[in-house]
Amino acid sequence: NAGVTQTPKFQVLKTGQSMTLQCAQDMNHEYMSWYRQDPGMGLRLIHYSVGAGITDQGEVPNGYNVSRSTTEDFPLRLLSAAPSQTSVYFCASSYDYRGNGYTFGSGTRLTVV
Amino acid sequence: TQLLEQSPQFLSIQEGENLTVYCNSSSVFSSLQWYRQEPGEGPVLLVTVVTGGEVKKLKRLTFQFGDARKDSSLHITAAQPGDTGLYLCAGPASGYALNFGKGTSLLVTP
Repeated sequence: NAGVTQTPKFQVLKTGQSMTLQCAQDMNHEYMSWYRQDPGMGLRLIHYSVGAGITDQGEVPNGYNVSRSTTEDFPLRLLSAAPSQTSVYFCASSYDYRGNGYTFGSGTRLTVV
Repeated sequence: TQLLEQSPQFLSIQEGENLTVYCNSSSVFSSLQWYRQEPGEGPVLLVTVVTGGEVKKLKRLTFQFGDARKDSSLHITAAQPGDTGLYLCAGPASGYALNFGKGTSLLVTP
């Protein structure tokens, strides 16, 4: 099994550009989440989904959009990139709401210049 | 947001030493999880503790959940260089996701 697959692994954007970070899982997990990780800040929740068609905001949602049209995919869209969005982004999935079986992707390192 | 505070923030020890890292909160958690993250990779789940007072062992790693379910500890016996990494604790947040502590960065030198 591939688990959670994130693409791309690295990306450089110019301020104002938009892009989509892809996340796919093959474990049939209902719960999926996006986090960003910054030095000294830990992992902060951006958006999450409890199933296809259902999403909600996390701690730091501004500047990001998500959708969940299928169980497998949970893309994260940056609408107009800003230098403050320079970070490492992780997608994760789990099979229950307590985070049991939580599996992370290997991350996308994004730099906005 | 239910805050999780981890200590120490950094720890540098020599191979063979023992160590304990802590995860504390003022809130009660239904469960807590511990992850290890290596550079360039995503966190990997080590253990989930659910019952107050619970102790779980994973080889040389011992995890304990506080009786009041507000804190947890990770003890490593005879640390090895392969234990080097960032150790994160996490607990369920409102809204079906996890809140993470900021982590303890562990370096074990030969």
